[in-house]
Amino acid sequence: AQKVTQAQTEISVVEKEDVTLDCVYETRDTTYYLFWYKQPPSGELVFLIRRNSFDEQNEISGRYSWNFQKSTSSFNFTITASQVVDSAVYFCALSGNNAGGTSYGKLTFGQGTILTVHP
Amino acid sequence: DSGVTQTPKHLITATGQRVTLRCSPRSGDLSVYWYQQSLDQGLQFLIQYYNGEERAKGNILERFSAQQFPDLHSELNLSSLELGDSALYFCASSPSGTGGTEAFFGQGTRLTVV
Repeated sequence: AQKVTQAQTEISVVEKEDVTLDCVYETRDTTYYLFWYKQPPSGELVFLIRRNSFDEQNEISGRYSWNFQKSTSSFNFTITASQVVDSAVYFCALSGNNAGGTSYGKLTFGQGTILTVHP
Repeated sequence: DSGVTQTPKHLITATGQRVTLRCSPRSGDLSVYWYQQSLDQGLQFLIQYYNGEERAKGNILERFSAQQFPDLHSELNLSSLELGDSALYFCASSPSGTGGTEAFFGQGTRLTVV
C-alpha cells in the first residue's frame, strides 16, 4: 500500500523567512510520481509540481524549490522568502503505475501541512 | 482556473436524502477522479473513470456511486446521507488515466448533512 507522511501539522513563520515542508513516502511501485498541491483558504487544490521516481534532479521555480531524495524516500518543499500569500495548506501526494491497474492515476495524499505566514 | 467545473458549490441536505454532484472535466481530459476531504479522514480517493469506464475504486461507500457519461462529464451520487458524509467533494481530471500525469482539481462541492 502507498503511504505519504507529512509530519508537520502546522508551521508558523514570519514573512521573508525560508520554510521547508517535509514529505516522506512509502510505495512498492518501481515507477511512481510525487506531487505537491496547495490549498489556499478559498479551498481549491492547486497543482504545484510533479516529479518522476527516476528523476532525482532538484527543481527550482521562483521562490519554490523541491528536494527529491530516493534514498530517504523524501520529497521536501522549500519556500524561500515566504510571503503572506503563501499561507495555505500544502499537500504532498503519490501515485504509481501499478501493472495491476488499481493504482492508475489515483493520488494518495498526506495529511497536509498548514502554513501560516505572518506579516 | 483549473478548467474543471463542479456544481453545485454548496449543498445542504437532511439525513437520509440523496444528492448528485456534477463534474465537467477540462477539455480533452478523458479521466475523472472523485475525492472526499473531511477533517478526520483527510483527502481520500473515491473512484476513477476513464473514457466512460470505471478504472479504479478507493474506499467508496456502497451508498455512493458514480458514472461518466459519453460527453465525459461525471456525476457522483450520494444516497441515504449521514451526518458523517459532510465533507468537501473534489473532482479532478487528467488527460490519461495513468500515474504520470498531473490531475487538475475543481473548486469542490461542500456538502453539509444536517
